[in-house]
Amino acid sequence: DGGITQSPKYLFRKEGQNVTLSCEQNLNHDAMYWYRQDPGQGLRLIYYSQIVNDFQKGDIAEGYSVSREKKESFPLTVTSAQKNPTAFYLCASSIGGFPGQQETQYFGPGTRLLVL
Amino acid sequence: RKEVEQDPGPFNVPEGATVAFNCTYSNSASQSFFWYRQDCRKEPKLLMSVYSSGNEDGRFTAQLNRASQYISLLIRDSKLSDSATYLCVVNMLRILTGGGNKLTFGTGTQLKVEL
Repeated sequence: DGGITQSPKYLFRKEGQNVTLSCEQNLNHDAMYWYRQDPGQGLRLIYYSQIVNDFQKGDIAEGYSVSREKKESFPLTVTSAQKNPTAFYLCASSIGGFPGQQETQYFGPGTRLLVL
Repeated sequence: RKEVEQDPGPFNVPEGATVAFNCTYSNSASQSFFWYRQDCRKEPKLLMSVYSSGNEDGRFTAQLNRASQYISLLIRDSKLSDSATYLCVVNMLRILTGGGNKLTFGTGTQLKVEL
């Protein structure tokens, strides 16, 4: 089955700890994205990558880092510098295209991060 | 003013009712529009894209009004299984560094269909 997988489903972080969230897709999509969702707020873009070995900061990148060494993988690290990490983290992918092209994004099941 | 605004609801409707949601967006140059459905504690899933001429998919109809900058979603003969949060998503033609477009998400409208 083609799709996007995220692991783990739940993740607990201690103060001062870095944690990494996994995102894998087998849709052969070029573009991948990380969002954060908090109650009562829309999804906010953390980082995105349009192509392998390239990624860019979104609207709320502070305290996060990413890598894109393989087309199918886009892990997100929540560092100790992120002071309010408790949220629902969603990874998405899209075919990738040129500006102006309709960009439907497909989401993974999400990881819920809680701070102990 | 929010870039994409939705009434948060909840909309509580009886089974079989027709319900409509509106969403307004701030950027008149926006090019493409979507409705996503999100169940509680799950990921958003694409419900339908919204085309200029309006489009229908079974019990769901989406409309776009560019002059007034709003899109709508109509659900006919609502089912219990339609209970979810409906997200309005707009491609605001904000070009991302390296290419591609940024999608802007509304906060969602919650629908509860009751017996």
